[in-house]
Amino acid sequence: GAVVSQHPSWVICKSGTSVKIECRSLDFQATTMFWYRQFPKQSLMLMATSNEGSKATYEQGVEKDKFLINHASLTLSTLTVTSAHPEDSSFYICRLGGLPQETQYFGPGTRLLVL
Amino acid sequence: GEDVEQSLFLSVREGDSSVINCTYTDSSSTYLYWYKQEPGAGLQLLTYIFSNMDMKQDQRLTVLLNKKDKHLSLRIADTQTGDSAIYFCAESIGDSSYKLIFGSGTRLLVRP
Repeated sequence: GAVVSQHPSWVICKSGTSVKIECRSLDFQATTMFWYRQFPKQSLMLMATSNEGSKATYEQGVEKDKFLINHASLTLSTLTVTSAHPEDSSFYICRLGGLPQETQYFGPGTRLLVL
Repeated sequence: GEDVEQSLFLSVREGDSSVINCTYTDSSSTYLYWYKQEPGAGLQLLTYIFSNMDMKQDQRLTVLLNKKDKHLSLRIADTQTGDSAIYFCAESIGDSSYKLIFGSGTRLLVRP
């Protein structure tokens, strides 16, 4: 089955810096990937749908200029948290799209801590 | 709109059955899912049910779906301490590039 990796798995940064998170599909070409965010002790919230070769589709309330998504190839989507602030500290998870609904492939997640 | 709700907490004794409930709002959902998340870890897909089914059993897990009431439940038989985790239900919205909308999660605590 498809394997999804995320890099980095853990990142600590200073407030005001930008952080790039990669979601890589190792053996499946995904035209669509999804980015989720999970705050401590809360559920996963869908942030955006990343589309290969076109602009991402953002959910209501998610700032597209703050969370830049680039789906540069069929195996790689990146989420850049620009000018990160402590309230952006969260667990970010990607998921592959385009697979049968019985099949779910999530990345292992990236934990971001902004000081 | 899309909304999935769960009770926040459930505590059971080891060996008892656990029942975790979920309600959803989108009647066009094709699949409904149950996930498990252990502390500090990612999501593990436990089981799923297609929307035209009423029940699905998979070893210790039984999923019941009441489509009329938009109610989904997960029953764990013979609950073990290793089952302690957060359980999320989710509904799929859309077709080939479907979105998953997650519930708030139910924290299951299994007491020895």
